[in-house]
Amino acid sequence: ETGVTQTPRHLVMGMTNKKSLKCEQHLGHNAMYWYKQSAKKPLELMFVYNFKEQTENNSVPSRFSPECPNSSHLFLHLHTLQPEDSALYLCASSLGAGGAEQYFGPGTRLTVT
Amino acid sequence: AQTVTQSQPEMSVQEAETVTLSCTYDTSESNYYLFWYKQPPSRQMILVIRQEAYKQQNATENRFSVNFQKAAKSFSLKISDSQLGDTAMYFCAFMGYGGATNKLIFGTGTLLAVQP
Repeated sequence: ETGVTQTPRHLVMGMTNKKSLKCEQHLGHNAMYWYKQSAKKPLELMFVYNFKEQTENNSVPSRFSPECPNSSHLFLHLHTLQPEDSALYLCASSLGAGGAEQYFGPGTRLTVT
Repeated sequence: AQTVTQSQPEMSVQEAETVTLSCTYDTSESNYYLFWYKQPPSRQMILVIRQEAYKQQNATENRFSVNFQKAAKSFSLKISDSQLGDTAMYFCAFMGYGGATNKLIFGTGTLLAVQP
């Protein structure tokens, strides 16, 4: 356990559904991240939040909508996804800047049918 | 733009032996951080070791050590006395120095299997 939890662990959704992924960190960190992990590809950074403010959007399609209500919680709202969006979505958190270690959650395995 | 390359998709090692995983990167920055992360099967990704580019001394953490060659832009991971629990996907990652975003750039990973 790294102190970062994600729910649900598995999600199957149709292309017309709306769902949300949740991430929570119990480490007192101020930065939170969403990554997409697909087979045979490097982890792709999607979004970064520092003190609840979005500081990075890595050209992510608008069908992915992040929300960070406080420094401990991070959501990823999903709507009208495509089959190629099927992947493992990882949340991470860190304390401060300057090469701080990122702590990862277990991920949500998303399948879009 | 920075890139990270791991040229070994899979590797295998016998228990108690030593194995080295390769990583090269490309950057025009002089200060940065390099990391090795480990992702065991169906378990969370954890940090194995971290190197700051301005430090000439190679980082070590128990059985894990790195060979950091800044001029060659190479950052290999050596695992000594391999154990079954070392079986995992290993990712090399780069982070630039400074700025508001701790943006990690990952390689494609090396799947290491430790054989009994």
